[in-house]
Amino acid sequence: KAGVTQTPRYLIKTRGQQVTLSCSPISGHRSVSWYQQTPGQGLQFLFEYFSETQRNKGNFPGRFSGRQFSNSRSEMNVSTLELGDSALYLCASSLEQSTDTQYFGPGTRLTVL
Amino acid sequence: EDQVTQSPEALRLQEGESSSLNCSYTVSGLRGLFWYRQDPGKGPEFLFTLYSAGEEKEKERLKATLTKKESFLHITAPKPEDSATYLCAPRGYNKLIFGAGTRLAVHP
Repeated sequence: KAGVTQTPRYLIKTRGQQVTLSCSPISGHRSVSWYQQTPGQGLQFLFEYFSETQRNKGNFPGRFSGRQFSNSRSEMNVSTLELGDSALYLCASSLEQSTDTQYFGPGTRLTVL
Repeated sequence: EDQVTQSPEALRLQEGESSSLNCSYTVSGLRGLFWYRQDPGKGPEFLFTLYSAGEEKEKERLKATLTKKESFLHITAPKPEDSATYLCAPRGYNKLIFGAGTRLAVHP
């Protein structure tokens, strides 16, 4: 069974631009969560989607948004990029319940110049 | 406030030298505790899920245990390929809360 895939794997943007990252979950998984990982803050929860609805949200500004499609694929968008948004963005998928194991993708490395 | 502390931050072992990693947590409404392994530049790889105090899980050289306030990851006779960052993540009401991780280096 194929794992979680994320595209693109690497991205370089400049301040003020916006970016969209994509995540395809494991087949049959209906929940997708997004995380930001930085050396200083570690892994921080952004949001979780289930059945095209945001189920939970972390403490990030409104510049960070996401959505989920009917096939469970998900995208996250960051608008008005700041230097501090440089990070590894990780997507994780799980079956359905919030307590189900989350399986992570390889991440998208975003660099903001 | 939910908190997770992992210790030590970094650990250097000789091949074959067993040790334990600690994860202390204060999380409201605990709904499971997850252990992951992460290699540089890659996404976390799932290792174990523990749901109740007293539970233990084993996989090859790794064994995870859980109490009401802590979880331990025991590494028996480690090999260089066990070198990685080990992350614990208790699940609260609505999210996984990740610790900062323990960077393990196993030398031949």
